[in-house]
Amino acid sequence: GAGVSQTPSNKVTEKGKYVELRCDPISGHTALYWYRQSLGQGPEFLIYFQGTGAADDSGLPNDRFFAVRPEGSVSTLKIQRTERGDSAVYLCASSLGYWPNEKLFFGSGTQLSVL
Amino acid sequence: TQLLEQSPQFLSIQEGENLTVYCNSSSVFSSLQWYRQEPGEGPVLLVTVVTGGEVKKLKRLTFQFGDARKDSSLHITAAQPGDTGLYLCAGATGNQFYFGTGTSLTVIP
Repeated sequence: GAGVSQTPSNKVTEKGKYVELRCDPISGHTALYWYRQSLGQGPEFLIYFQGTGAADDSGLPNDRFFAVRPEGSVSTLKIQRTERGDSAVYLCASSLGYWPNEKLFFGSGTQLSVL
Repeated sequence: TQLLEQSPQFLSIQEGENLTVYCNSSSVFSSLQWYRQEPGEGPVLLVTVVTGGEVKKLKRLTFQFGDARKDSSLHITAAQPGDTGLYLCAGATGNQFYFGTGTSLTVIP
């Protein structure tokens, strides 16, 4: 596609449930980032993929959060045993991986609401 | 953990006024970017500055990277309602981008 696509755009779940959030990056972009954003705040880094491997997962808040990118394209962020504090907008971004002049292209995000 | 502090957090001004947004950190960054985000959308890149002391202009927007590459500013001249949005700075270090706390700008017609 022309841009980064995130699905679903909205997800409502109950406390304790498992959720998966999907990100389709721009074709050819080797780098993929996941961020979490609370209302009116800056995005908080979660994990960064270069190709299929997680180059940096230091932002994942705990072991309930996990992300994969098995073929170096689509990525899935997985959250187990969701808690109300997990409610936020989850943003995905992709880039060509040219440091330091990286250009991140963001999707519109998934609004996760944990009731 | 957000390494970059932005000020002010909220700003409401009249159309035609000038404004400056600041982005400060105690960390050194290899590059710094500014984004604008509108409700329901992801951030959109405005500019990247790489060299300490660098100044870039984008129409009515002027961006400056501090000499020590720890801070940056965004100056908007003659603000317009279309400038309304959440402005975010992001510093690159290692292979990560750390985003600032954000400045929510409202330009009143």
